[in-house]
Amino acid sequence: GAVVSQHPSRVICKSGTSVKIECRSLDFQATTMFWYRQFPKQSLMLMATSNEGSKATYEQGVEKDKFLINHASLTLSTLTVTSAHPEDSSFYICSAEGREAYEQYFGPGTRLTVT
Amino acid sequence: GESVGLHLPTLSVQEGDNSIINCAYSNSASDYFIWYKQESGKGPQFIIDIRSNMDKRQGQRVTVLLNKTVKHLSLQIAATQPGDSAVYFCAEMLWGTSYGKLTFGQGTILTVHP
Repeated sequence: GAVVSQHPSRVICKSGTSVKIECRSLDFQATTMFWYRQFPKQSLMLMATSNEGSKATYEQGVEKDKFLINHASLTLSTLTVTSAHPEDSSFYICSAEGREAYEQYFGPGTRLTVT
Repeated sequence: GESVGLHLPTLSVQEGDNSIINCAYSNSASDYFIWYKQESGKGPQFIIDIRSNMDKRQGQRVTVLLNKTVKHLSLQIAATQPGDSAVYFCAEMLWGTSYGKLTFGQGTILTVHP
């Protein structure tokens, strides 16, 4: 149990376009989901906390108007990278909180390449 | 933001050896710690966790040691296998007030040679 999926797994887009990444908890409900960004050879950096039915909480330095998060149901959170630029190319990973706050289940990640 | 030029520490071992991966965490108030394994192109995979009221916890082939005095965490892998080759991250959490927010450490690349 406790499987988290992400879609797409890889996406290539042109500079200036927007890309939506989905994060789904497949066999459990997640009130809270988290979005991370990981550049090559680096650690995961938390971007935002996504709470079902309310606005996301963004970490310092993360532009909320550029990285739009929608957590419309207990099994789905979406991250939209608006007006993407090459510097937004990265590995985006979501996690979903289980029944206990210390239980986090990670998705397989989405590789975004902006050309 | 991105740290230009940052490279992860590396650890290279022979198959069958024991591996020790170290991590310095940042917040002395953190009360929950987790080790994750990340293979190339995949999300982090839970290995083992430990609460701040413990200093040692053992799992299957893995042991986590916590030294709160110096804010140090280590992961010991016994009889390391080629399948253990991956990047290993420690993560810390401040229970309660942070809604389960994890802060990840720098990471260590483990390479196991047959």
